[in-house]
Amino acid sequence: DAGVTQSPTHLIKTRGQQVTLRCSPKSGHDTVSWYQQALGQGPQFIFQYYEEEERQRGNFPDRFSGHQFPNYSSELNVNALLLGDSALYLCASSFTAGVETQYFGPGTRLLVL
Amino acid sequence: GESVGLHLPTLSVQEGDNSIINCAYSNSASDYFIWYKQESGKGPQFIIDIRSNMDKRQGQRVTVLLNKTVKHLSLQIAATQPGDSAVYFCAENMFDKVIFGPGTSLSVIP
Repeated sequence: DAGVTQSPTHLIKTRGQQVTLRCSPKSGHDTVSWYQQALGQGPQFIFQYYEEEERQRGNFPDRFSGHQFPNYSSELNVNALLLGDSALYLCASSFTAGVETQYFGPGTRLLVL
Repeated sequence: GESVGLHLPTLSVQEGDNSIINCAYSNSASDYFIWYKQESGKGPQFIIDIRSNMDKRQGQRVTVLLNKTVKHLSLQIAATQPGDSAVYFCAENMFDKVIFGPGTSLSVIP
């Protein structure tokens, strides 16, 4: 049983570019949440997707957008990248019946130059 | 805004000793708390959780204590092992949003 997978593992972009990160949830899970983790800090909630719609959103600008596909996988898009967007981006999946228990993927390390 | 925070940013313990990691939370409406372990290069791993209608919950070598009166949460690790070295986060789940604290780095001395 595969856990949460994310791609790519590492990514380097320059300021102003756009990036797309991908996440496949744990088998049986239908809810995907995205987090940004700056170095030395705790993860910060970006948004959550369920039934292909954004259900919850944290305090992030509209440059951060997402999508969930019918197979429950998800994408995180960030436009007009800033240096401050450099971070580890984590995806977590859960099942709606037990939404509190989230399983995290290994993350995508994004570096913006 | 309200947040979850930790008292100690770093903790060093001798192998075999018990570890205690503390956490203060400020959101009195939170009804569910989770402890995560994050090893270098990996995502957070669920350790144990507790609901606000409980004050103690035990797992394998871990115990979480919740004191709602002073809004304090702690994680106790019995017989700490080198594999326990990691960053530990407390988090609260409120309306399906998981809010993490800043983390405590646990270092086990062999």
